[in-house]
Amino acid sequence: SAVISQKPSRDICQRGTSLTIQCQVDSQVTMMFWYRQQPGQSLTLIATANQGSEATYESGFVIDKFPISRPNLTFSTLTVSNMSPEDSSIYLCSVERYDEQYFGPGTRLTVT
Amino acid sequence: AQKVTQAQTEISVVEKEDVTLDCVYETRDTTYYLFWYKQPPSGELVFLIRRNSFDEQNEISGRYSWNFQKSTSSFNFTITASQVVDSAVYFCALSEAGNTPLVFGKGTRLSVIA
Repeated sequence: SAVISQKPSRDICQRGTSLTIQCQVDSQVTMMFWYRQQPGQSLTLIATANQGSEATYESGFVIDKFPISRPNLTFSTLTVSNMSPEDSSIYLCSVERYDEQYFGPGTRLTVT
Repeated sequence: AQKVTQAQTEISVVEKEDVTLDCVYETRDTTYYLFWYKQPPSGELVFLIRRNSFDEQNEISGRYSWNFQKSTSSFNFTITASQVVDSAVYFCALSEAGNTPLVFGKGTRLSVIA
């Protein structure tokens, strides 16, 4: 299995501010995926982060709002910028290893 | 485009009953993978199973079993003798082959009542 940690586990932020979420994997992986789960909803892919290149964003998500960094093969960050209450969600990172997809524990974000 | 449909939004059963969660998928790929995840109230996603499109054999793991039928594009999940600890949201998901993101269904919330 893959061990994935995320920081912070939860946060309460004021609207208009930004939060950076960290994702650390216990070994090197080519791609990391960032998902959002709004309250009571399913998971939606935000972007795919490949080391050494710009992240690829899904429709409805833009780099200015969700900038992603991928400085090495075990780490990535997702920033939620200029937050509004609609950004209140669980944010999860995910990796694939040995044909299985593993998810981090998630970051529960509440924007007031 | 890929799509996963979980028609059952919520299911409630009494403990020890069997329950089947339905999953229907759409894809144009000939090679793909199907997944089931469990999300308990604590929020983490627990991997349950991954099945590739070339393997239609049914899978059994303890009280859990999965029925994959390509003819009907379905990958259903059955819990036998349900327990209160099975209460969770269950997601079915689909991906193309090899290191690609998942497309999730909307999930089925299962409540098992003692």
